[in-house]
Amino acid sequence: GDSVTQMEGPVTLSEEAFLTINCTYTATGYPSLFWYVQYPGEGLQLLLKATKADDKGSNKGFEATYRKETTSFHLEKGSVQVSDSAVYFCALGGHSGYSTLTFGKGTMLLVSP
Amino acid sequence: AAGVIQSPRHLIKEKRETATLKCYPIPRHDTVYWYQQGPGQDPQFLISFYEKMQSDKGSIPDRFSAQQFSDYHSELNMSSLELGDSALYFCASSYPRITSGRAHEQFFGPGTRLTVL
Repeated sequence: GDSVTQMEGPVTLSEEAFLTINCTYTATGYPSLFWYVQYPGEGLQLLLKATKADDKGSNKGFEATYRKETTSFHLEKGSVQVSDSAVYFCALGGHSGYSTLTFGKGTMLLVSP
Repeated sequence: AAGVIQSPRHLIKEKRETATLKCYPIPRHDTVYWYQQGPGQDPQFLISFYEKMQSDKGSIPDRFSAQQFSDYHSELNMSSLELGDSALYFCASSYPRITSGRAHEQFFGPGTRLTVL
């Protein structure tokens, strides 16, 4: 079945450092890929998405590129802020678009001043 | 912009009691999804509804049931509660399926935190 593997956290960075959170997936067909962010005590917010190979999703300085050849969707940000501290979930959805989401285990990011 | 509304936000129950969680999707969204997130875990899909009909079923226990009503709101009914049911329960909704390019985006509510004592 479909699955998502994320790097384990927590990832601890200083403000303005470069961020990479690795995400790889296993799926049949051509899934859509997502990054969701969960701030403490809150729900899940869609951060960015990509629906086909080589698409780059971007939002709030974060970006991720759908790499079919490596089945990856790594999240990057050039300069993190303290306010970026949260748990980040990589997720995949089915090709039809109406399917459920399969999430990775989540990666906690802690950014210190 | 309107978001997904869930109620209650917090719920405390005893073992073997029942609980009902409610979800109000974003207006004009026609699909509702329920997810369960245990402490420190990733969200796990429970069940979904499209146009008031069940469309997908995940790891939902037989003790749980859900439905979507004519106004598109959904309720998750949980009976014979167990300690292991303590979790955050998220509802999500998505654009109508005729909406090109965005039907796959799921918008999550703030969740209901259920504690079973």
